Amino acid sequence: EIVMTQSPATLSVSPGERATLSCRASQSVSSNLAWYQQKPGQAPRLLIYGASTRATGIPARFSGSGSGTEFTLTISSLQSEDFAVYYCQQYNNWPPGFGGGTKVEIK
Amino acid sequence: EVQLVQSGAEVKKPGESLKISCKGSGYSFTSYWIGWVRQMPGKGLEWMGIIYPGDSDTRYSPSFQGQVTISADKSISTAYLQWSSLKASDTAMYYCARQHHDARGWFDPWGQGTLVTVSS
Repeated sequence: EIVMTQSPATLSVSPGERATLSCRASQSVSSNLAWYQQKPGQAPRLLIYGASTRATGIPARFSGSGSGTEFTLTISSLQSEDFAVYYCQQYNNWPPGFGGGTKVEIK
Repeated sequence: EVQLVQSGAEVKKPGESLKISCKGSGYSFTSYWIGWVRQMPGKGLEWMGIIYPGDSDTRYSPSFQGQVTISADKSISTAYLQWSSLKASDTAMYYCARQHHDARGWFDPWGQGTLVTVSS
């Protein structure tokens, strides 16, 4: 089973600053990686699939990159509504699985 | 609009059975896999399993195999997650979501979640 490790666990960022979140897979998942955003009391929302393709309606300030075992989600200029927990998910190998999450909080 | 609407919160005692539901609308229910995800209080997301309503093909994560049963009734566009004997450790929020791509894919959209509380 592939283990997905996200870092850091918590990221403190000021509004308007850039946030860089990391997701590492214990073995290659090719580009079969998705990112989700979850706000308190809400269901997760898809941001990115295929490692770098933004989902419908997702602002351009969200971008994904990477392949193989190393992936990055970048939020270019944090808005107030972006403070949330972010999860990566691999769907290349069975069973699919999620990383432990990165909480982006206001600095 | 594609929507998944889940059944309401449940409070159960250990040993009781439970079946929660997820009704899809706005798309061809039989053409997409539906998955279930667990989120224990204050914790992350756990991938449980998926079902293809078109033929009821079902796949489970090894962690959940034998612990839950996933089913679907395509005549009413509804997927289910059920337990035969609940434990306190089943207390969690459970989400259903439509899976894209194939039997391994990403989830979009998600249901609003069903909170299951198991307590004596």
